[in-house]
Order: sequence, then structure tokens, then C-alpha cells
Amino acid sequence: EIVLTQSPATLSLSPGERATLSCRASQSVSSYLAWYQQKPGQAPRLLIYDASNRATGIPARFSGSGSGTDFTLTISTLEPEDFAVYYCQQRSNWPSITFGQGTRLEIK
Amino acid sequence: QVQLVESGGGVVQPGRSLRLSCAASGFTFSSYPMHWVRQAPGKGLEWVAVISNDGRDKHFADSVKGRFTISRDNSKNTLYLQMNSLRAEDTAVYYCARDQTVRAADYYFDSWGQGTLVTVSS
Repeated sequence: EIVLTQSPATLSLSPGERATLSCRASQSVSSYLAWYQQKPGQAPRLLIYDASNRATGIPARFSGSGSGTDFTLTISTLEPEDFAVYYCQQRSNWPSITFGQGTRLEIK
Repeated sequence: QVQLVESGGGVVQPGRSLRLSCAASGFTFSSYPMHWVRQAPGKGLEWVAVISNDGRDKHFADSVKGRFTISRDNSKNTLYLQMNSLRAEDTAVYYCARDQTVRAADYYFDSWGQGTLVTVSS
């Protein structure tokens, strides 16, 4: 099983700042990585797929990068609605799909 | 717009069975592979199962293999998850989710239901 480790566990920032979230895989997943946003009491929302492709309707302030084992989700300028939990997910060795444990982005 | 509505959750004793349903609308259900993903209270996400658009191909997480089955009725635009031999560790919110691509699953989930809570407890 491919283990995804997200860091930091919690990130405290203010609106208007830049957020950088990390996801590291225990072995290469090529570019087969996605990012999701989940707000309390809501289902996750797909943000990024194949490491760097924005999903439909996702604002340009969200961007993804990386390949192999190291990936980054960047939110260029935080909006109040961006404070949530973010998960990475790999599909490299489907059907053994795994998610990271999540990074909580909180308002400082 | 795409809408997925789960139902069938509740409290069930260990060892018993439960069937979840997911009613789909707003898209051509028969074209998309569909998934179940679960989330234990206060925990992260865990993929559970996938079914191909025509229902012929199915895959399961090791944690549920042999206990859960997935099926679909394309004439009713409905996805199912039959859960047998339930354990305490199956307690979670269960989401149905649409695969991002038609026909061949790419295991990215672009639409989700609101989830249904399953609690396994004596």
C-alpha cells in the first residue's frame, strides 16, 4: 500500500497570505495525485487531479505541482472560504487507492 | 446539475447487514463508473469500492473484501452498497462519488453525495 504523508498537520495563516501544503508518497505515484478540500459537515470537493490540473470550476488561486513522491498544493492568496481540511489522494496503483491524513488550514 | 443522494444508513449491531443506496440525477448515470468512499468520525477518507459503468467490473478495498458488494441499476439511476458481517470499524459516513471520466475509471472523484452515517454498535 502506498502511504501518503501530508504536512503540516495544521497550518495557521491569515486571509490574503499564501498557503503551501505538502504531500509525500512512500513510493513513486508518477503524476497520479489529486487534492480535495473538505469543509465541516460537507463532502470533499475535487480541486486538482493528475498533480497539476484544476478541476472544473476551481479558482485559479489553487495550483498543484510535483511528481514522483513529492507534491505541493499552493493557494496563492487565501480567501475566507479556503479555510478547510485538504486531502491528497493517489490512484497510481489502482484499485489500491489511498488518501493522506489531511492538513487543516485554519485562520490565524 | 449533478446530484447524488445517499440513503440507508443507521445503527446496526456487529455481524448484521445493511444496504446503502445512492440515487443519481443530472447526468448520464450509465456512462460513469461509481465509487463508495467512507470517513470514520473525525478521521480521514478511505476508498471502499468501485463499479464500472456497465456493472461488470468491481473492485474493493482489502478492508471490506468478501464482506461488501457493490452493484448498480442503470434503469433506476441508483448505486448500491451491500454491507455484510459489519464490524465496529465500519462505522463511518459513507459517500457515493462519481468517477471523473466516462467508461474507464480514473479513480478521481468529481462529484459526491452528502453522505449517510452507518454506526455499528451493540
